[in-house]
Amino acid sequence: SQQGEEDPQALSIQEGENATMNCSYKTSINNLQWYRQNSGRGLVHLILIRSNEREKHSGRLRVTLDTSKKSSSLLITASRAADTASYFCATGMDSSYKLIFGSGTRLLVRP
Amino acid sequence: NAGVTQTPKFQVLKTGQSMTLQCAQDMNHEYMSWYRQDPGMGLRLIHYSVGAGITDQGEVPNGYNVSRSTTEDFPLRLLSAAPSQTSVYFCASSYEGRETQYFGPGTRLLVL
Repeated sequence: SQQGEEDPQALSIQEGENATMNCSYKTSINNLQWYRQNSGRGLVHLILIRSNEREKHSGRLRVTLDTSKKSSSLLITASRAADTASYFCATGMDSSYKLIFGSGTRLLVRP
Repeated sequence: NAGVTQTPKFQVLKTGQSMTLQCAQDMNHEYMSWYRQDPGMGLRLIHYSVGAGITDQGEVPNGYNVSRSTTEDFPLRLLSAAPSQTSVYFCASSYEGRETQYFGPGTRLLVL
């Protein structure tokens, strides 16, 4: 089964609104990463947060990590139509040198 | 730098045929991996390599073979294609397996 599970599976918002997506995981991690995938393209790395960090920012992105709840959230502020994409969380395992992906959140930002 | 390149972009196979998906990177990364992406399933790890001459299985290795003779190249071989292998295949590389991955553009494979 997938290590990371995103919620919601799909999200539709108006341009200018904030978008929040969540990721839950099951086992101990070294880090958690978020990737973006535009339709028909490869994945692009957005941000990485280590297991000893609680919050990280990058431009309009804010990621939080709660290791006690085994969950993370990605906030995109002031969304733009260009943010329309699928967003995946991926967990860097503590017990092995692998990265395991969740099933993704499809974000639609309406102009 | 070209980053991670994959060929072909699109391929149609008949059941039972074999083929090799090519992947190359020019970032001198030790770690390379292959994922498949199916609708609603996210990415699943097929095989990975932590360096030249070293490969290991991921979550869904059956029906696929890999080798790593150089740091740059990591081909994925389908031994006898089946319709269940219809998918989009992504190759990725990184300096270490659980760190930031750099993805290729993908290969769309259709098995009839």
